[in-house]
Amino acid sequence: EIVMTQSPATVSVSPGDRATLSCRASRSVNSNLAWYQQKPGQAPRLLIYGTSTRATGIPARFRGSGSTTEFTLTINSLQSEDSAVYFCQQYDNWPAWTFGQGTKVDIK
Amino acid sequence: EVQLVQSGPEVKKPGESLKISCKASGYSFDNNWIGWVRQMPGKGLEWMGIVKPEDSDTRYSPSFQDQVTISADKSINTAYLQWSSLKASDSAIYFCARQMGATAPFDYWGQGTLVTVSS
Repeated sequence: EIVMTQSPATVSVSPGDRATLSCRASRSVNSNLAWYQQKPGQAPRLLIYGTSTRATGIPARFRGSGSTTEFTLTINSLQSEDSAVYFCQQYDNWPAWTFGQGTKVDIK
Repeated sequence: EVQLVQSGPEVKKPGESLKISCKASGYSFDNNWIGWVRQMPGKGLEWMGIVKPEDSDTRYSPSFQDQVTISADKSINTAYLQWSSLKASDSAIYFCARQMGATAPFDYWGQGTLVTVSS
């Protein structure tokens, strides 16, 4: 099983600032890495897939980058509505997809 | 519009059986995978398994193999997750989600089904 490790557990950012979230895979997942946003009481929403491609309707302030084992989600010009938990997921090791444990983004 | 609509919350006793559903609309149900994801209270997401309705090809996470059964009925565009004997530790929210290919993320999600198992 590929273990996905996210850091930090929580990040606290002021509105308008940048948040940087990290995700590390225990072995290469190539570019098969997705990011999801989950707000309280809601289902997760796909933000980024293929490491860096934004899903339909996702604002350009969400940017994914990285490769093989190290990945980053950057949220620029943070807005209050971005307060949520963000999960990374690898979908390279078929059929055993795995998620990271999540990073909570708090708005100061 | 792609929609996945899940069945309502369930309250069960340990040892009881349960089958929850996920009805799809707005796309070709047969040719896309449907997966199930568990979220225990206050915790992260766990990938449980996936089914392709076209031929009922089903794959499970080792953690959930033999613990649950995933199936689909393409005649009514519905996927299922079932337990034969629930445990208290099965209490969680269960999400279904669409996956468009063998190597693809979950692009659409159901609203979740809360399952509570308590004596």
